Amino acid sequence: DSGVTQTPKHLITATGQRVTLRCSPRSGDLSVYWYQQSLDQGLQFLIQYYNGEERAKGNILERFSAQQFPDLHSELNLSSLELGDSALYFCASSDRQNYGYTFGSGTRLTVV
Amino acid sequence: AQSVTQLDSHVSVSEGTPVLLRCNYSSSYSPSLFWYVQHPNKGLQLLLKYTSAATLVKGINGFEAEFKKSETSFHLTKPSAHMSDAAEYFCVVSGPNTDKLIFGTGTRLQVFP
Repeated sequence: DSGVTQTPKHLITATGQRVTLRCSPRSGDLSVYWYQQSLDQGLQFLIQYYNGEERAKGNILERFSAQQFPDLHSELNLSSLELGDSALYFCASSDRQNYGYTFGSGTRLTVV
Repeated sequence: AQSVTQLDSHVSVSEGTPVLLRCNYSSSYSPSLFWYVQHPNKGLQLLLKYTSAATLVKGINGFEAEFKKSETSFHLTKPSAHMSDAAEYFCVVSGPNTDKLIFGTGTRLQVFP
């Protein structure tokens, strides 16, 4: 167990639907990052939050959004889902002082 | 802009022989460099990291990597491969102005008995 918890582990949904992925960071880590891993794009950075505020944005679609709550857990919302959104979504948290990034085990999203 | 290039998409070795996974980086600043491993249907595990301390970095499971600024390389090595090393390996860079990690395309390591 890495200390970063992602739920659910698997999600199957239909095109056009909306889903929410959840991430609980390692205890004490203030930063949460979301990454998407797909066969054609590899591992892509989506977005980062630090202590509740958006810190950096990567290749995140407008249909996707995220937030980090006061208890530091984060949610990634994916809407108007398309077949191409099928991927493994990873959350990571970090204690920047140690440059330590810890990844969760991921949520596998399948859009049918 | 920062980037990493993993020079081999697949590497095959026999058990007990050395492993070399090659990575070149591009960065305008002194980078932080990492190697992560991903076993099938598993998450990403940190093998080792370089953050401008010693250029030879030792990681878990007998892996090590050497930061060579003159060659802009950060190759991953292991003296003797084990069957359990079979996995996907990612070379990763981040920089002083950003926390985000930029991943290479990955190298799939196969280990034959």
